[in-house]
Amino acid sequence: DGGITQSPKYLFRKEGQNVTLSCEQNLNHDAMYWYRQDPGQGLRLIYYSQIVNDFQKGDIAEGYSVSREKKESFPLTVTSAQKNPTAFYLCASTSGASGANVLTFGAGSRLTVL
Amino acid sequence: AQSVTQLGSHVSVSEGALVLLRCNYSSSVPPYLFWYVQYPNQGLQLLLKYTSAATLVKGINGFEAEFKKSETSFHLTKPSAHMSDAAEYFCAVSEGTGNQFYFGTGTSLTVIP
Repeated sequence: DGGITQSPKYLFRKEGQNVTLSCEQNLNHDAMYWYRQDPGQGLRLIYYSQIVNDFQKGDIAEGYSVSREKKESFPLTVTSAQKNPTAFYLCASTSGASGANVLTFGAGSRLTVL
Repeated sequence: AQSVTQLGSHVSVSEGALVLLRCNYSSSVPPYLFWYVQYPNQGLQLLLKYTSAATLVKGINGFEAEFKKSETSFHLTKPSAHMSDAAEYFCAVSEGTGNQFYFGTGTSLTVIP
């Protein structure tokens, strides 16, 4: 079945460490997104990419980095510059460039800073 | 810029009662509107979407939503709540192009037996 796979599901990080969250999709979608979810704050956009080798900052990009070397992969690195990284991270994708397209989400990765 | 307001971060209903979750949006252009549901520690799943066809949209699991342009609203309803409806619900809006999606802060629905 087509879908989005996020790994790991749970991740613990010590302060000062960089960590990378994986996001892979087999839907042949062009656009991919990373959202951060905190209780009571909804989903906030970190980065998005509409084509390979191109990506744009979202509303809360500071302390994060991404790459889009392959259409199916959009990894997110949480750097040590992110001061409050403990959160639930969601990857999503959609086809085409129309706002009518539906987002497909992965199951999420929960990052906890020790 | 687009924005979405969900009134009521927590809603409780009795099993079998009407579910009403409110969503208001701001948009300078005709929007596309979505409702998503999230179960604990999972991603979001689409319930329904409005894309400028019929103003009353039917979704999965008996949910529906009505687009009211004059009120800039897209409230989600279900005539009879079921225990399995307990989850967090998100309203989202996007414009015609650019693939930018804006989410509300979510409403947590509790169903009381």
